[in-house]
Amino acid sequence: EPEVTQTPSHQVTQMGQEVILRCVPISNHLYFYWYRQILGQKVEFLVSFYNNEISEKSEIFDDQFSVERPDGSNFTLKIRSTKLEDSAMYFCASSELETDTQYFGPGTRLTVL
Amino acid sequence: AQSVTQLDSHVSVSEGTPVLLRCNYSSSYSPSLFWYVQHPNKGLQLLLKYTSAATLVKGINGFEAEFKKSETSFHLTKPSAHMSDAAEYFCVVSSNYGGSQGNLIFGKGTKLSVKP
Repeated sequence: EPEVTQTPSHQVTQMGQEVILRCVPISNHLYFYWYRQILGQKVEFLVSFYNNEISEKSEIFDDQFSVERPDGSNFTLKIRSTKLEDSAMYFCASSELETDTQYFGPGTRLTVL
Repeated sequence: AQSVTQLDSHVSVSEGTPVLLRCNYSSSYSPSLFWYVQHPNKGLQLLLKYTSAATLVKGINGFEAEFKKSETSFHLTKPSAHMSDAAEYFCVVSSNYGGSQGNLIFGKGTKLSVKP
C-alpha cells in the first residue's frame, strides 16, 4: 500500500538555524499538507498546498515558514530561523483531488536547542 | 467554527472487553468526521470516516463509529479489545463543507491501554 514518507525521523538543531523537513507524498495525490504537534498538545494545521501554491495556511505559518515542491516527488517545509518553540513533531499528509481523506507520514521530530 | 472534544485523555480496558472512546463535535454544518490512530513511533493512520452517508461507519481492525447529530457525538467502539489496539486515537473534523480538501481539526487524543 502506498505511504507518505518523511525524512529525517528526528532532527536536532540550534536556535536560529534553518531546517528543511522533507516529505514524499503518495504519488497520485495532488494536495499536500503540513501539521505539527507540540508535545502534549493537539495536532495543528500549518499549511495546505495545491498546484504549486499555498491554498490555505494557519496563523502559525508565519514568514519563518515556507513550503516548496522542488520536483515531482518531494514536498518540503523550511523553517528559516528556528526558535525553541518550534520544537514539535511535524507531520506531512497528502490527499487525492476532491477528497478530504488525508494520509499521513510518520512525522519528523524537530528539537531546537 | 468547527471543533472536537475528546472526553477522555486515557482509557484502560482489559483484553477481550469492549472499547468506547468518546468524541463530541461542534460544527455549523454537517461535518466530515474521522478517527485516526497513532501507534508508537508510527504515523497517523485513518481508521474510518463519516461523510454524510450511513450514520454507522465501519473501519479497519473491527472499529466502528456512529454519527449522532442530535447528540453531536461520534464515539468510537470495538466489541473486543486486542493488545495491538493500544495506541493513541484522535477524533478529527474537516474544516470545509462538502468533502473538499481542507485543513483537519484534531481533538487532543485518547490514549488507549489494553491490559492482558
